[in-house]
Amino acid sequence: EVQLVESGGDLVQPGRSLSLSCLVSGLTFRDYAMSWVRQAPGKGLEWISYIRGTAFGATTEYAASVKGRFTISRADSKSSAYLQMTSLRDEDTAVYFCVAGGGGSPDYWGQGTLVTVSS
Amino acid sequence: DIQMTQSPSSISASIGDRVTITCRASQGLSRWLAWYQQKPGKAPSLLIYAASSLQSGVPSRFSGSGSGTNFTLVINTLQPEDFATYYCQQSNTFPWTFGQGTKVEIK
Repeated sequence: EVQLVESGGDLVQPGRSLSLSCLVSGLTFRDYAMSWVRQAPGKGLEWISYIRGTAFGATTEYAASVKGRFTISRADSKSSAYLQMTSLRDEDTAVYFCVAGGGGSPDYWGQGTLVTVSS
Repeated sequence: DIQMTQSPSSISASIGDRVTITCRASQGLSRWLAWYQQKPGKAPSLLIYAASSLQSGVPSRFSGSGSGTNFTLVINTLQPEDFATYYCQQSNTFPWTFGQGTKVEIK
């Protein structure tokens, strides 16, 4: 069974930083691209970042709303993906989901972790 | 960025109904489109990928079709567990984008 477990969500003040982790099991992690998708309270889904598999150089993509502030990374040895978030804003308040795969092929989602940005 | 427009935004339907949701893209996607179901408080769940491929474990009453800019999700014989919000997502071009969602409610 494929499982993705996010962690690291918290209440943080505007301007501060926070790091999210996603631990993956049940699949060969290195073969999967990873993404982060977020959902603000009562709103729709927003894709925010993507990292290719290591075989493809682990190159990254970002939504304009987070580019320059958020950094996605991966550690194949730990079957984990990460999202480092800096200069957090009120509008970054959301549930953050990590996703394995996608892009024309089946994908798998974690249960999400809540990030609240508020003073 | 590619804009994804779903219609309708919401639909009231009865058990046993056939429900059709459409998704229009502002640019051609080939077949790089997925459909997701989301229930309150839960993560989205993949239904359809590559426009028409049924994800493993998803009931066959769900089907997807289309290519280019126009796509359709059909739910045949609506079941109680199908009341949820449905999203389309394009993965043809970064940034990947989602439709605004279609809420399927009980009539």
